[in-house]
Amino acid sequence: ETGVTQTPRHLVMGMTNKKSLKCEQHLGHNAMYWYKQSAKKPLELMFVYSLEERVENNSVPSRFSPECPNSSHLFLHLHTLQPEDSALYLCASSQGVGNSYGYTFGSGTRLTVV
Amino acid sequence: QKEVEQDPGPLSVPEGAIVSLNCTYSNSAFQYFMWYRQYSRKGPELLMYTYSSGNKEDGRFTAQVDKSSKYISLFIRDSQPSDSATYLCAMRAMNSGYSTLTFGKGTMLLVSP
Repeated sequence: ETGVTQTPRHLVMGMTNKKSLKCEQHLGHNAMYWYKQSAKKPLELMFVYSLEERVENNSVPSRFSPECPNSSHLFLHLHTLQPEDSALYLCASSQGVGNSYGYTFGSGTRLTVV
Repeated sequence: QKEVEQDPGPLSVPEGAIVSLNCTYSNSAFQYFMWYRQYSRKGPELLMYTYSSGNKEDGRFTAQVDKSSKYISLFIRDSQPSDSATYLCAMRAMNSGYSTLTFGKGTMLLVSP
């Protein structure tokens, strides 16, 4: 496996469910990110991890809880979500947070909250 | 005013046309500029990056940055149906510690055969 892999690709969950999104990168990068992509809106940065330490949290509701157990893995734990949380959730990685060459993205998890 | 403005389209062109995609921005500290291409049901992939002002060419793609006007462009020559995708501009400031990328909304491009 190469690049950034996200699972599952699609997820439908009820508002009372608890689920987790998984991201794995095989690039040797030391920074990882969660982004939310909604229709007609720019990518919204949710969380940034550098060397497994969270360095930025863009005022994300507590129903989203990230976890970075090591530099290759990133999780997003979800609970009591709202329908407006339905979106494409993208994971990305880079070598260094301020990397001028941009990020490598996974294919995303399409989340639908019912 | 939003930090990065990008027309969402869709932009429809016939095969072989020259395509011009644009973004404007308000933060004069931005120094690194990127274009990402995102196919349907895929994540964005880095297409081109430039530092500061000037042009950069890669095959059929040319990226231009005009910092005085706070305006960046991506030109696609001899467009192909396989170029149909959403194109996102992204930018960041220089030496800004933990500063991350700021994205535009993306422009959907449709190239018809």
